[in-house]
Amino acid sequence: AQTVTQSQPEMSVQEAETVTLSCTYDTSESDYYLFWYKQPPSRQMILVIRQEAYKQQNATENRFSVNFQKAAKSFSLKISDSQLGDAAMYFCALIQGAQKLVFGQGTRLTINP
Amino acid sequence: DSGVTQTPKHLITATGQRVTLRCSPRSGDLSVYWYQQSLDQGLQFLIQYYNGEERAKGNILERFSAQQFPDLHSELNLSSLELGDSALYFCASSVGQRGGRETQYFGPGTRLLVL
Repeated sequence: AQTVTQSQPEMSVQEAETVTLSCTYDTSESDYYLFWYKQPPSRQMILVIRQEAYKQQNATENRFSVNFQKAAKSFSLKISDSQLGDAAMYFCALIQGAQKLVFGQGTRLTINP
Repeated sequence: DSGVTQTPKHLITATGQRVTLRCSPRSGDLSVYWYQQSLDQGLQFLIQYYNGEERAKGNILERFSAQQFPDLHSELNLSSLELGDSALYFCASSVGQRGGRETQYFGPGTRLLVL
């Protein structure tokens, strides 16, 4: 069975600083995809970044980047130059083979001005 | 705005009742997914439809059912409602059924409160 674990229920960072959110996962497949979704107070689920497991290069989207360690089954999200609008719940998620996303429990990120 | 629409935004009902949640996928998307977000269970996959046919099933209760219509909109029916069914129900859509090769775009959700 697939599992996704986010060990940090809450994180906080000063505005303009860098923060890293952790995620570990377990899967028996070699072909899978990893995602970070953001859920702001509006409750909308917004895709932040995705990573294909077969790609060694870490995905990057503007201020968001990942550190994908396949052997360690680790997939952390780094947010650079944190902004007030980054405050949200962040969910790590995994898809392997079947269509469903398996989500972690989430990390609540607070940005301190 | 993801392009996925869900109605209603909020729903308050009583135990034992039946409700229907509606989802319209993004234009061109053939797959629709339903997820439930609750405080105790987190975000869980319920069911997926592709072009009108059921494709995958998750932890969906027998009291719940869904369907996807020829115009590709989908409905999630929840019956014999219990207090524990109170949750945020998300619909997501993607182009096809290629799993992680496609991005799932989420709607704004329907917040269900069972009293």
